[in-house]
Amino acid sequence: LAKTTQPISMDSYEGQEVNITCSHNNIATNDYITWYQQFPSQGPRFIIQGYKTKVTNEVASLFIPADRKSSTLSLPRVSLSDTAVYYCLVGDIGTGANNLFFGTGTRLTVIP
Amino acid sequence: ETGVTQTPRHLVMGMTNKKSLKCEQHLGHNAMYWYKQSAKKPLELMFVYNFKEQTENNSVPSRFSPECPNSSHLFLHLHTLQPEDSALYLCASSQEIQTLAGTDTQYFGPGTRLTVL
Repeated sequence: LAKTTQPISMDSYEGQEVNITCSHNNIATNDYITWYQQFPSQGPRFIIQGYKTKVTNEVASLFIPADRKSSTLSLPRVSLSDTAVYYCLVGDIGTGANNLFFGTGTRLTVIP
Repeated sequence: ETGVTQTPRHLVMGMTNKKSLKCEQHLGHNAMYWYKQSAKKPLELMFVYNFKEQTENNSVPSRFSPECPNSSHLFLHLHTLQPEDSALYLCASSQEIQTLAGTDTQYFGPGTRLTVL
């Protein structure tokens, strides 16, 4: 089981780029890296997923170095509505559902 | 624009009450999940259903009883709960059964905020 470590909280001003790094030193060969966003009293929402190198979608970019022991979620030009908790998950799609570690996440606060 | 709805959104109950949480997904998915999220704790998987069959029970106490009558509906029946069961209960669905780290996205409902007095 690949446990993840993220900063507990981060602050950023509106319009800035925010990078949240997640460490997963024990990542396995078959593991994917997935990021979710969660607002208060709501369920998590899928942001982005990757296996290696770089992935980009309309919301964010995900950078994964060659050793895959960490990953960085990049949010371009954040706004106040991006204030949320961001979770990094690592796991094998073939494992049982209870073999997944969903950590405490990073609480991002965007300041006007 | 979530396709997963949950009712009620808020529930307050005593320890001797019996209540049920309801989840409905309008996405045509085959797998459904119950999660518990307590304050300042990681998300915890409780139950997994695939094509109406329960495939995972993550050591959940028997005072929580799930029911999946069809692939679109999922219930969580509650009885004789404890105050420490107060939490946000989240329902999710995905096209195929897998973990949150799988390539198939899980779609979450808004959750039911449960308070046990």
